[in-house]
Amino acid sequence: GQQVMQIPQYQHVQEGEDFTTYCNSSTTLSNIQWYKQRPGGHPVFLIQLVKSGEVKKQKRLTFQFGEAKKNSSLHITATQTTDVGTYFCAGGNYQLIWGAGTKLIIKP
Amino acid sequence: DGGITQSPKYLFRKEGQNVTLSCEQNLNHDAMYWYRQDPGQGLRLIYYSQIVNDFQKGDIAEGYSVSREKKESFPLTVTSAQKNPTAFYLCASSIRVSGQPQHFGDGTRLSIL
Repeated sequence: GQQVMQIPQYQHVQEGEDFTTYCNSSTTLSNIQWYKQRPGGHPVFLIQLVKSGEVKKQKRLTFQFGEAKKNSSLHITATQTTDVGTYFCAGGNYQLIWGAGTKLIIKP
Repeated sequence: DGGITQSPKYLFRKEGQNVTLSCEQNLNHDAMYWYRQDPGQGLRLIYYSQIVNDFQKGDIAEGYSVSREKKESFPLTVTSAQKNPTAFYLCASSIRVSGQPQHFGDGTRLSIL
């Protein structure tokens, strides 16, 4: 069946360093969505991408949707402590298929 | 303020007991979902509903049941057949199933006594 693979599972960064998480689908996606889940919280919708090659920015966050609409990435520039949490991608043509998430950990 | 309300926040289940988790939304969304999240893991779909009086099994429906008698409400029952129910349960809703962002409740943490 359709799968969305997300890597890495964890990323440890120093505050101020960049962070990137990647999602890959086995099939073409009509759209991809990104969510953030803070520790102990619930997923919160960040953004949706629908067009091939689309790039969207939200302050220090840059979201990309691949030309073939099979992959996507989220890049955070100069991480801050408020960025800590798990970032999930979710895509599909009908039902959302969720990636396993990438946990952003800021090194003390 | 529109949103999704899940209750209770914490729930304990005894062996052989069925328990029901509540989910209510006032966003006027047609679609509702139940997910299970185990520690350090992603979200797994239990059931979803596109419209009142209709629901479909997700990837891990065994040991769970749902109903959708009202647009606003989508309760989840964890039956005694679910042998490993300890998890974080999240309810979500969206305008419709296809291609729409999902809005989540605060979740219910279920543990075995």
